Amino acid sequence: KAGVTQTPRYLIKTRGQQVTLSCSPISGHRSVSWYQQTPGQGLQFLFEYFSETQRNKGNFPGRFSGRQFSNSRSEMNVSTLELGDSALYLCASSLQSGLSYNEQFFGPGTRLTVL
Amino acid sequence: AQSVTQPDIHITVSEGASLELRCNYSYGATPYLFWYVQSPGQGLQLLLKYFSGDTLVQGIKGFEAEFKRSQSSFNLRKPSVHWSDAAEYFCAVGAKAGGSYIPTFGRGTSLIVHP
Repeated sequence: KAGVTQTPRYLIKTRGQQVTLSCSPISGHRSVSWYQQTPGQGLQFLFEYFSETQRNKGNFPGRFSGRQFSNSRSEMNVSTLELGDSALYLCASSLQSGLSYNEQFFGPGTRLTVL
Repeated sequence: AQSVTQPDIHITVSEGASLELRCNYSYGATPYLFWYVQSPGQGLQLLLKYFSGDTLVQGIKGFEAEFKRSQSSFNLRKPSVHWSDAAEYFCAVGAKAGGSYIPTFGRGTSLIVHP
């Protein structure tokens, strides 16, 4: 079956703009998590959505937001872009968010460059 | 708060040689430990995980890892490296939160394989 899909794969924006990234999880997966990967800070957890509700949130400013739709697709939005937001944004999906561990499957990421 | 240290930024090995990537963690409770691999232009793929039980964990692609509580370590090993193993390797410790396992990643170790 198809893996996690992220669109677009590459994006160039300028400071002050906003951006929306999209993630389509593996069919049947209900949990979607977002991560930011930069050379300086490494891989950091942004937030997790399950059944259209934010379940967990990392330590990022309010400019970073997300949502999940009824078909489990998720979007993340970054407003008022800063140079430091340049990063690879990874999305991961898993079957469900529950008491037992469910492996996360990662998409290829969206490479955002802020000029 | 949990943290993960991967002391080696780069490791170079010859094809066919054995490999050990180091990982030390800090976590107050029973750790949930993971190793991921990231190939260029790709997302992360789970190699193996440790939750409890046998401290020697087998993963995919011939990798294994050993959990040593006394040393707070979870080192990744492979007896014979293939050129296709060249990639970035991330160790992570997962904290249980809201029904999910939120990972904190190490900074990664870049594996270079010489023919």
